[in-house]
Amino acid sequence: GQQVMQIPQYQHVQEGEDFTTYCNSSTTLSNIQWYKQRPGGHPVFLIQLVKSGEVKKQKRLTFQFGEAKKNSSLHITATQTTDVGTYFCAGRMMNRDDKIIFGKGTRLHILP
Amino acid sequence: GAGVSQSPSNKVTEKGKDVELRCDPISGHTALYWYRQSLGQGLEFLIYFQGNSAPDKSGLPSDRFSAERTGGSVSTLTIQRTQQEDSAVYLCASSLASAKWAQETQYFGPGTRLLVL
Repeated sequence: GQQVMQIPQYQHVQEGEDFTTYCNSSTTLSNIQWYKQRPGGHPVFLIQLVKSGEVKKQKRLTFQFGEAKKNSSLHITATQTTDVGTYFCAGRMMNRDDKIIFGKGTRLHILP
Repeated sequence: GAGVSQSPSNKVTEKGKDVELRCDPISGHTALYWYRQSLGQGLEFLIYFQGNSAPDKSGLPSDRFSAERTGGSVSTLTIQRTQQEDSAVYLCASSLASAKWAQETQYFGPGTRLLVL
């Protein structure tokens, strides 16, 4: 069936190091969204990507949407302790109206 | 303004009992989603309401699960004859999206933590 795979599942980095999480879909996506969930909190929307090859930046966060619109990445430069949490991607399937599939998330731990 | 609210925040029930979870979306949001999140897992889509259209129920795991959205606003998720594997956080989200490919930021509620003993 349709899947959105997210890797890695867990990532430990030293504070100040960079971090990347990847999202891959088995089918073409019409758009992809990224969410951040702090420990004990609920998911908070970060960004939506729609166009093939799109790149968007939010301060230290860089989001990319692949040319084929099947994969996406979130890159954090110089991580800080406030970046701790789980990052989810959510892809809307192009071949199925209004179907959103979330990845299982990447849990980021920052070592001081 | 007020965000998405959910009630109760926590629910402990015995196996076999029915439970109702409530979601109040942001006023004016036409789209409403239910998800569940098991411990340490990702979000699992359950059901989607958009305006007056027939809901997308494709994510409901069994016929014990049902949801309603009355008057295009408040929604209730009902789980009948609860099982221990139903224990999870149930999240509701709403969106302003009124067109198919419109900007679809989803605003999540705080969730209802369900524990089935």
